Amino acid sequence: DARVTQTPRHKVTEMGQEVTMRCQPILGHNTVFWYRQTMMQGLELLAYFRNRAPLDDSGMPKDRFSAEMPDATLATLKIQPSEPRDSAVYFCASGFIAGSRDQPQHFGDGTRLSIL
Amino acid sequence: AQSVTQLDSQVPVFEEAPVELRCNYSSSVSVYLFWYVQYPNQGLQLLLKYLSGSTLVKGINGFEAEFNKSQTSFHLRKPSVHISDTAEYFCAVSAAGGGNKLTFGTGTQLKVEL
Repeated sequence: DARVTQTPRHKVTEMGQEVTMRCQPILGHNTVFWYRQTMMQGLELLAYFRNRAPLDDSGMPKDRFSAEMPDATLATLKIQPSEPRDSAVYFCASGFIAGSRDQPQHFGDGTRLSIL
Repeated sequence: AQSVTQLDSQVPVFEEAPVELRCNYSSSVSVYLFWYVQYPNQGLQLLLKYLSGSTLVKGINGFEAEFNKSQTSFHLRKPSVHISDTAEYFCAVSAAGGGNKLTFGTGTQLKVEL
């Protein structure tokens, strides 16, 4: 089965450090999503891309978060500088959109981030 | 914009008993509806989806859901649960043709007991 791969699975770092999370979407998928999951807020959409172009990043704190797709096989989410309130599980998901047909998103196993 | 309400945050049930997890949505446009399951320390896995056609949708692991447009509901059901069904279940909605952007409910923790 094709899978969305996220690295690292776990990250513990100190406040102020830069954090980079990576995602390899399923080959052939043209849409990539970044979500954050916390107990308090549940699942929040941070940003998403179509054909590597950012379509919506309104859910992302712009001052410290950035998301990019350097190529079709890699999406990155960076936090600089990191803060304790960024501690959460970050999920990447990918899907395929063709015309008006929406295909379900497939999720990776997430990056569990702890900022001390 | 769309919204999803999962009224039950936790549902305890005995093994082999039936279960229903409730989901109601709100939208001013046509929608697609999804149920995802999340096991501990894992990502979300698609259980089933409604895009169009028959309102009764069957998914993996013996789950099914019924789309009710008049009641704006998409409840998830299983006639006989197993211990391995213990997990968190998320209902999600997207605008039909809206580019797959999902809005999730807050989740329902299903706990199956012996």
